[in-house]
Amino acid sequence: GAVVSQHPSRVICKSGTSVKIECRSLDFQATTMFWYRQFPKQSLMLMATSNEGSKATYEQGVEKDKFLINHASLTLSTLTVTSAHPEDSSFYICSASVRDRGDYEQYFGPGTRLTVT
Amino acid sequence: GNSVTQMEGPVTLSEEAFLTINCTYTATGYPSLFWYVQYPGEGLQLLLKATKADDKGSNKGFEATYRKETTSFHLEKGSVQVSDSAVYFCALRYSYIPTFGRGTSLIVHP
Repeated sequence: GAVVSQHPSRVICKSGTSVKIECRSLDFQATTMFWYRQFPKQSLMLMATSNEGSKATYEQGVEKDKFLINHASLTLSTLTVTSAHPEDSSFYICSASVRDRGDYEQYFGPGTRLTVT
Repeated sequence: GNSVTQMEGPVTLSEEAFLTINCTYTATGYPSLFWYVQYPGEGLQLLLKATKADDKGSNKGFEATYRKETTSFHLEKGSVQVSDSAVYFCALRYSYIPTFGRGTSLIVHP
C-alpha cells in the first residue's frame, strides 16, 4: 500500500526557535497534502490543505505566518513552526491524497511529536 | 455543515467480548464514510470504508454498514483482542477533505 513518512518522529526544541517537519509520499505522487494537529485525547484538527506549487489554504484560526507550509513537489510537503512556544507542543500529522479510479484515497503519516520547552 | 458524532470513551472490554462503537453523521447529500484506527504514538490507518448506502465495509474482523435512514456507521467486532486497544475515529468525506469525529478509545483487558 501507499506509504507516507514524516520526519522527525519526535523533536524537542527551545522556545523561540523554529522547527521544520517533513512529509513525504514514498511511492506515489500526492494530489494534495494535509496538515493536522492533534491534542491529547482529542480529534484531529485540520490546519491547512496544500497543493503542489500553490499556496496552502489555511483553516480559520490557524496563523499562516506561524505555521509555514511549503509544498515544493508532488511527494514532499513541509510544515515549519516558527518562533515556537510551549503552547505549540502537540502531535502533528500529515496526510497525502491521491485520486484513484475516480475516488480520493488518503494516506496518513505516522505523526511528529513536538515538544517546546 | 458536515459533522460526525461518536460515542464517548473510553470503552473498556474483556478479551473476546463483542464491540460496538456508535457513529452518526450529519451531511448534505451522500458522503463516503470511514473508520480509522490510531495506535498509541502513531498516525491514522484506514480500517474500513463504505461509499454508498447499505454498503458494508469490513477488515480484520471489524464491520460497519452505511445506514442512510439512520445516518449511522456503527463499528462492530464479534470478538476483540488486546491488540485492538487503540483510538477509533469515524469520518465522512465529500471530495477530498474528511471530517473526523472526536475518536473513541478502546481498552481491551486480557
